[in-house]
Amino acid sequence: AQTVTQSQPEMSVQEAETVTLSCTYDTSENNYYLFWYKQPPSRQMILVIRQEAYKQQNATENRFSVNFQKAAKSFSLKISDSQLGDTAMYFCAFMIMDSNYQLIWGAGTKLIIKP
Amino acid sequence: EAQVTQNPRYLITVTGKKLTVTCSQNMNHEYMSWYRQDPGLGLRQIYYSMNVEVTDKGDVPEGYKVSRKEKRNFPLILESPSPNQTSLYFCASRRDRPNYGYTFGSGTRLTVV
Repeated sequence: AQTVTQSQPEMSVQEAETVTLSCTYDTSENNYYLFWYKQPPSRQMILVIRQEAYKQQNATENRFSVNFQKAAKSFSLKISDSQLGDTAMYFCAFMIMDSNYQLIWGAGTKLIIKP
Repeated sequence: EAQVTQNPRYLITVTGKKLTVTCSQNMNHEYMSWYRQDPGLGLRQIYYSMNVEVTDKGDVPEGYKVSRKEKRNFPLILESPSPNQTSLYFCASRRDRPNYGYTFGSGTRLTVV
């Protein structure tokens, strides 16, 4: 079975600190994509960052970066200089390159940025 | 603006009363999908559609129906809702290159009493 595990149900940090959210996944496939989505209180699902499994270089998007360890099947998200607007649920997901291209989701991590 | 539009945003209904949640996208995406989100479970796929008149079951299809008569619309139908279908529902679409991920609607909070 293909699964995603986010081991931290909730985290909180002070504004301007750096925080890392963990994600591990399990699949026997070799070709897939990985994503982090953010869900603020508005409920909107917002794509934060994506990573192609065949690329060794870690993806970065401004204050957001990932640490992708393919052999360990780990895909953590680092948020630098955290801001109050980063408060949200964060979901890790991966997509297998089959006919469905379904997203397999973790349970989410609730991140609270304190002023 | 490129978007996926879901309606209604909130819905409270009674057991057994048929309902439809609408979903429309203006990006000419071929692929559309419905997910439900439950606490501690993340999102789970209900149904998906690869194109007009092509639909298939996801991981949790029981109690749901879909149709894809037009490319832009992908409604979710609950013929006889039950309390275990109380959930947050998302419609999503994606472009042909899947590595760009999905565009999601704003969600529909459904409560079945």
